[in-house]
Amino acid sequence: GAVVSQHPSRVICKSGTSVKIECRSLDFQATTMFWYRQFPKQSLMLMATSNEGSKATYEQGVEKDKFLINHASLTLSTLTVTSAHPEDSSFYICSAESGTSGGLSEQYFGPGTRLTVT
Amino acid sequence: GENVEQHPSTLSVQEGDSAVIKCTYSDSASNYFPWYKQELGKRPQLIIDIRSNVGEKKDQRIAVTLNKTAKHFSLHITETQPEDSAVYFCAASMGFQKLVFGTGTRLLVSP
Repeated sequence: GAVVSQHPSRVICKSGTSVKIECRSLDFQATTMFWYRQFPKQSLMLMATSNEGSKATYEQGVEKDKFLINHASLTLSTLTVTSAHPEDSSFYICSAESGTSGGLSEQYFGPGTRLTVT
Repeated sequence: GENVEQHPSTLSVQEGDSAVIKCTYSDSASNYFPWYKQELGKRPQLIIDIRSNVGEKKDQRIAVTLNKTAKHFSLHITETQPEDSAVYFCAASMGFQKLVFGTGTRLLVSP
């Protein structure tokens, strides 16, 4: 159980275009999903916390108008990178919280999306 | 906010040796401490976690210890195998709050 999928796994886009990444919890309902960015050989940096039916909470330094997050249902959250630039190239990973661990944050990660902006 | 430091950044051991990775956290309210293993290009996989009401937890070759007073926790891997080679991340959180990750430790187990 507790499977999280992400689509696409890899995407290459041209500078200035927008890219949408989907994160789905397949066998549980996730009231909270998280979006991370990971540069090569670095740790996971939280970008935003997404709660179903409400606006996402962005971490300091993350542009909310550039990284649009929508959490339309208990099993789907999307991250749209708008007007992508080469410096946005990174590994984007989502995670979903099952909320069944006695009130503690057990998160399940998606497989990640490698974005390359040319 | 919470800050998690992790050491060492790289660790090389011979197969069969033990490996220890240490993390410290800053927020005494944090009460959940998971450890993740990440292979190149793949998702982080939860390998073990510990809650603040427990001092030690073991799962076969892997163990985690927590010292709440000193605000540090450690991952212990015994009888290491080449397939243990990966990057390991510690993290800390408080309740349903965000996880704050350490900087990662690249473990290399040589046969």
